[in-house]
Amino acid sequence: AQSVAQPEDQVNVAEGNPLTVKCTYSVSGNPYLFWYVQYPNRGLQFLLKYITGDNLVKGSYGFEAEFNKSQTSFHLKKPSALVSDSALYFCAVRDIGSGGGADGLTFGKGTHLIIQP
Amino acid sequence: KAGVTQTPRYLIKTRGQQVTLSCSPISGHRSVSWYQQTPGQGLQFLFEYFSETQRNKGNFPGRFSGRQFSNSRSEMNVSTLELGDSALYLCASSSLPGGNTIYFGEGSWLTVV
Repeated sequence: AQSVAQPEDQVNVAEGNPLTVKCTYSVSGNPYLFWYVQYPNRGLQFLLKYITGDNLVKGSYGFEAEFNKSQTSFHLKKPSALVSDSALYFCAVRDIGSGGGADGLTFGKGTHLIIQP
Repeated sequence: KAGVTQTPRYLIKTRGQQVTLSCSPISGHRSVSWYQQTPGQGLQFLFEYFSETQRNKGNFPGRFSGRQFSNSRSEMNVSTLELGDSALYLCASSSLPGGNTIYFGEGSWLTVV
């Protein structure tokens, strides 16, 4: 089985400061890991993914994420937050060790990111 | 390149009715997945289709069904609607099943009254 935990319901950051949104995962095999962002009344927008290779993944809008296998984490980061980054962020995992992700993507509960001017 | 297109965007149905939602994947993508998003349960996997065949299914009752056509477009159907089916239904497309590049549509907002 695969699972994702986003331990923070909400993260508050001042504009211009660095931000981190935490994600930990559990899979039986190897993971595909994703971050998506959702603005109010919209669908999910793809930010970045980890498949294999470099542990530091760069994505859209200046976001990056670091894959840490020993800590089973995939935290989302950005060096300097913008007010427009305020949204709901989802971490998702697909276990590629169990036959190619038989259960689809498993999502965390989401973290509300609030950037204060 | 057009993104994932879902129709209708908003709809209101009455308990006991049925509803059909449509999804057109990104051109060239052959795998379509459906997800349900609710405030209480979050995002949950419904099913995935590839080559007109359901590959896998999440933990939802048989009232939830889907299909995929030869042009990769997909529909999902919910019969005998219940109040708890009110949700945002999201469609995702990828080039292959179990793919690592997955894009979502804007969703269909279903309200059951």
